[in-house]
Amino acid sequence: RKEVEQDPGPFNVPEGATVAFNCTYSNSASQSFFWYRQDCRKEPKLLMSVYSSGNEDGRFTAQLNRASQYISLLIRDSKLSDSATYLCVVGTYNTDKLIFGTGTRLQVFP
Amino acid sequence: NAGVTQTPKFRVLKTGQSMTLLCAQDMNHEYMYWYRQDPGMGLRLIHYSVGEGTTAKGEVPDGYNVSRLKKQNFLLGLESAAPSQTSVYFCASSYLAERENIQYFGAGTRLSVL
Repeated sequence: RKEVEQDPGPFNVPEGATVAFNCTYSNSASQSFFWYRQDCRKEPKLLMSVYSSGNEDGRFTAQLNRASQYISLLIRDSKLSDSATYLCVVGTYNTDKLIFGTGTRLQVFP
Repeated sequence: NAGVTQTPKFRVLKTGQSMTLLCAQDMNHEYMYWYRQDPGMGLRLIHYSVGEGTTAKGEVPDGYNVSRLKKQNFLLGLESAAPSQTSVYFCASSYLAERENIQYFGAGTRLSVL
């Protein structure tokens, strides 16, 4: 079983739609959680950290469910510019390393 | 704001050739990483370093060597390139803030081994 699992997609949604991605992780000792965004042929960039209380940044909302060991990302009012691959990333407490999921591809169409 | 810089951006090698990929960061980060990214595989950690003069193996270290002689630089070497090493290589640097290890990536090196 992979340490971090994501649905690869693609998720094809129209502009203005709301879309949600989930990610599951296997290590119950995991303490830090992130969503990264990766555009085609570009490097990954941090989108947002995910906290136990959940957090929101504009149209993006991230939530953590420790009991079920999953993380979610909700994107409201999708824009064409949101088209990218979204990577779920997990780290353990004080870890030197992060574990990256294989990514979920989002395609927003006009 | 250079951040993390990787050189070269592209390279084509023949099987058996050697090369070194350079990663430089100007953020005074202690931690540096080398990943490879292949279709359907996601980012896989090759080697990493938690400070100047230190290195450690990641998930897929075979066929690669690294050195961290200066804090700002992390070199990845391929001694005898193989077609299986065709990939996109990303370097990242980070610091630990409380419980978070937030990594910043370079633009990548696209390597083809023929």
